[in-house]
Amino acid sequence: DAGVIQSPRHEVTEMGQEVTLRCKPISGHNSLFWYRQTMMRGLELLIYFNNNVPIDDSGMPEDRFSAKMPNASFSTLKIQPSEPRDSAVYFCASSLVGGVNTEAFFGQGTRLTVV
Amino acid sequence: GQSLEQPSEVTAVEGAIVQINCTYQTSGFYGLSWYQQHDGGAPTFLSYNALDGLEETGRFSSFLSRSDSYGYLLLQELQMKDSASYFCAVRAGGFKTIFGAGTRLFVKA
Repeated sequence: DAGVIQSPRHEVTEMGQEVTLRCKPISGHNSLFWYRQTMMRGLELLIYFNNNVPIDDSGMPEDRFSAKMPNASFSTLKIQPSEPRDSAVYFCASSLVGGVNTEAFFGQGTRLTVV
Repeated sequence: GQSLEQPSEVTAVEGAIVQINCTYQTSGFYGLSWYQQHDGGAPTFLSYNALDGLEETGRFSSFLSRSDSYGYLLLQELQMKDSASYFCAVRAGGFKTIFGAGTRLFVKA
């Protein structure tokens, strides 16, 4: 398996524009997580899905952020409109929840810069 | 609230042993994980402890004491390539995983 695949790897956009980040989890995994990483706030869990259903979105900063998982092999995180404070690295991770080991596999991240 | 505390930085010399501590306070607890992240890279899984005690995986070991809400990661025979950030993470209720702020490890020659 190629691992968790995120696109794009880098995104530079102007304030006010819509940004869509994409993620393809590892085949067979039943849980998907979106994290945001900044120097100030570390790794923050934004939202996670189990069997394509959003379970907890309490980490989503505000209504400008939305996430979808239309099927088991694809998820998106959308920011509309984007603001400079959204600049961060966004990671998607997937895991097979239900067993003892809950290892999460991370994608390489999308570095977002909002100018 | 939910919090994980770990030192911000640790420095050690090549070949030495270093211990990175983590204390946590969360509303639910299923287990404690450790992840490594090199600059510009993604976090990668190192270990998971669900029960009290020591888990050993090569040069790395992880310990958990549920009664003390405490765990640590032990790195032995340090190598330069071990210079990275190390995160403890709690698997809390609902399969939610919460990360600590990370400990930056510097390994000197």
